[in-house]
Amino acid sequence: EVQLVQSGAEVKKAGESLKISCKGSGYRFSSYWIGWVRQMPGKGLEWVGIIFPDDSETKYSPSFQGQATISVDRAINTAYLEWGALKSSDTAMYYCATRLGYCDGGTCFDFWGQGTLVTVSS
Amino acid sequence: QSVLTQPPSVSGAPGQRVTITCTGSSANIGAGNDVHWYQHLPGTAPKLLIYRNTNRPSGVPARFSGSKSGTSASLAISGLQAEDEADYYCQSYDRSLSGRGVFGGGTKLTVL
Repeated sequence: EVQLVQSGAEVKKAGESLKISCKGSGYRFSSYWIGWVRQMPGKGLEWVGIIFPDDSETKYSPSFQGQATISVDRAINTAYLEWGALKSSDTAMYYCATRLGYCDGGTCFDFWGQGTLVTVSS
Repeated sequence: QSVLTQPPSVSGAPGQRVTITCTGSSANIGAGNDVHWYQHLPGTAPKLLIYRNTNRPSGVPARFSGSKSGTSASLAISGLQAEDEADYYCQSYDRSLSGRGVFGGGTKLTVL
């Protein structure tokens, strides 16, 4: 069974660093793109970026370039989204999602993690 | 403000048919990029509803259908049910965003 399990909710202060994770299981992790999607409170979904675990090729939405870093650890089938210095505007739910089956070779996401709520106070 | 425009809300009575539009431009939908649709219920992960414009993943009822023409795409839901009340998002790729993915602003479906 394909699963993406994300790390738990985080409460941080502005200026602190943070790394949230997304562990894949039930499929060959390195072979499929995995991405991150943000949902700010009361707002819609936003495409953050994607990474191909096998070679770590990464693509960011221009809005997120330089704001956060996507990485992977192939040895433990885990993708990460990391901030060096959080801002209050980073407060959001973050979902990881991957492209398998229906979306392999395409541009959609067919398997999603449960989401990680990040709260940043000023 | 997304480059893919959706109506903020639509509504319909049980059993009725509703359509949600996703309007783009020659930089995204009109450039031949596929459009996908997701259903998002509060407190859950988004769910892929339609992929590559018209295709339904296994387990998605045939009441849901997708279409694409020119610079727009549509999601139609027939035989509305109370459980369809959710937020719906279209997603495509956009040349002006360096070929990165983009979601529409989302549409809240209310079943009256």
